[in-house]
Amino acid sequence: SYVLTQPPSVSVAPGQTARISCGGSNIGIISVHWYQQKPGQAPVLVVYDDSDRPSGIPERFSGSNSGNTATLTISRVEAGDEADYYCQVWNRNTDQAIFGTGTKVTVL
Amino acid sequence: EAQLLESGGGLVQPGGSRRLSCVGSGLTFSNYVMSWVRQAPGKGLEWVSAISGSGGRTYYADFVKGRFTISRDNSKSTLFLQINSLRVEDTAVYFCAKIFGDKFDYWGQGTVVTVSS
Repeated sequence: SYVLTQPPSVSVAPGQTARISCGGSNIGIISVHWYQQKPGQAPVLVVYDDSDRPSGIPERFSGSNSGNTATLTISRVEAGDEADYYCQVWNRNTDQAIFGTGTKVTVL
Repeated sequence: EAQLLESGGGLVQPGGSRRLSCVGSGLTFSNYVMSWVRQAPGKGLEWVSAISGSGGRTYYADFVKGRFTISRDNSKSTLFLQINSLRVEDTAVYFCAKIFGDKFDYWGQGTVVTVSS
């Protein structure tokens, strides 16, 4: 089965840039979506189709996808960005959604 | 804006069953693929199942193995998940989510299922 691997944790100082990777075989040829989840809350879509942002999501959130790695980038990190982040794809071979293992972003 | 509200969670003994519901508002419910995603305590998101707008096509994660059944009643804008033969490892928050394209663009707040004797 298709697996999406993320680093368990990323730490970043306020104002700096956080980069969260999502590794998968040839992930660059499929659309990747990213979700932010704060404790006790439902996930929120922050980037879709590799690099697009839903309305209301700050421009500080951006994404890229190529080869075997997709990346979510959070620029000018703020304390409110501290959360768990998950990547997600739809496996069209099996008609199943797949979530990454998740990354906890800590703002120092 | 779309809103989703889950219900039906609770404490269930191993081997028991539970029917979860999710009522949608602020959207033309029958137009959208709907889905269930769960999250065990302290763990990541795990996709469970999805159903087409008409209800004619259903999709399941491999771990479901026939124990879960997704369905919908578009006349009531309601999504269901019937979970049978519950196991301790099914303990989780179960989220209802709307699918647009192949992404989850709206989520409910979740309903908690605890499987314990």
